[in-house]
Amino acid sequence: EAGVAQSPRYKIIEKRQSVAFWCNPISGHATLYWYQQILGQGPKLLIQFQNNGVVDDSQLPKDRFSAERLKGVDSTLKIQPAKLEDSAVYLCASSLSTETETQYFGPGTRLLVL
Amino acid sequence: GNSVTQMEGPVTLSEEAFLTINCTYTATGYPSLFWYVQYPGEGLQLLLKATKADDKGSNKGFEATYRKETTSFHLEKGSVQVSDSAVYFCALRGMDSNYQLIWGAGTKLIIKP
Repeated sequence: EAGVAQSPRYKIIEKRQSVAFWCNPISGHATLYWYQQILGQGPKLLIQFQNNGVVDDSQLPKDRFSAERLKGVDSTLKIQPAKLEDSAVYLCASSLSTETETQYFGPGTRLLVL
Repeated sequence: GNSVTQMEGPVTLSEEAFLTINCTYTATGYPSLFWYVQYPGEGLQLLLKATKADDKGSNKGFEATYRKETTSFHLEKGSVQVSDSAVYFCALRGMDSNYQLIWGAGTKLIIKP
């Protein structure tokens, strides 16, 4: 069974530029999560999708971050414009449903904003 | 609100030493508790979990017991190996907030041969 795929693995941009990350969850998983993990901290949930609907985006900085999952499968997370403090690893995870306890994580995208 | 506190790292041990990584939590009701592991360059993987008081989760020689009376879920292993070097995260899943995971800050474990 293929795992959660993410791309790119690494990205370096300058502040005020834009960047997009892509995630393909495990086939059949209805719930998709985007997390931000700053060095030395645990993951912070940015947004949670159930199929193509948003369940929770309360911690997403909506003035600069956006995410979509138009067909209920893969998803993109965009930052525009990026700030220095956005430097982090962006993790995508999926689970069969919101109620399912086990989340499966992708390898993450490491973003460096200069 | 719900929260997880785990011991700060790094924790440095010699091979075959006994490991304990402390984790305590604050939550309403009866959350499920998890340990995830992140090996260098890889994504987070579920290591073990426990869903009710006194349950013991175990995997790959690691164990953790859900202690409701002390609100703890400490991770233990009797004899660590170099390959156990990784960052370990304790997390809880509450009965509210869309079943979201609440994470500790992570503990880096370094095992020396």
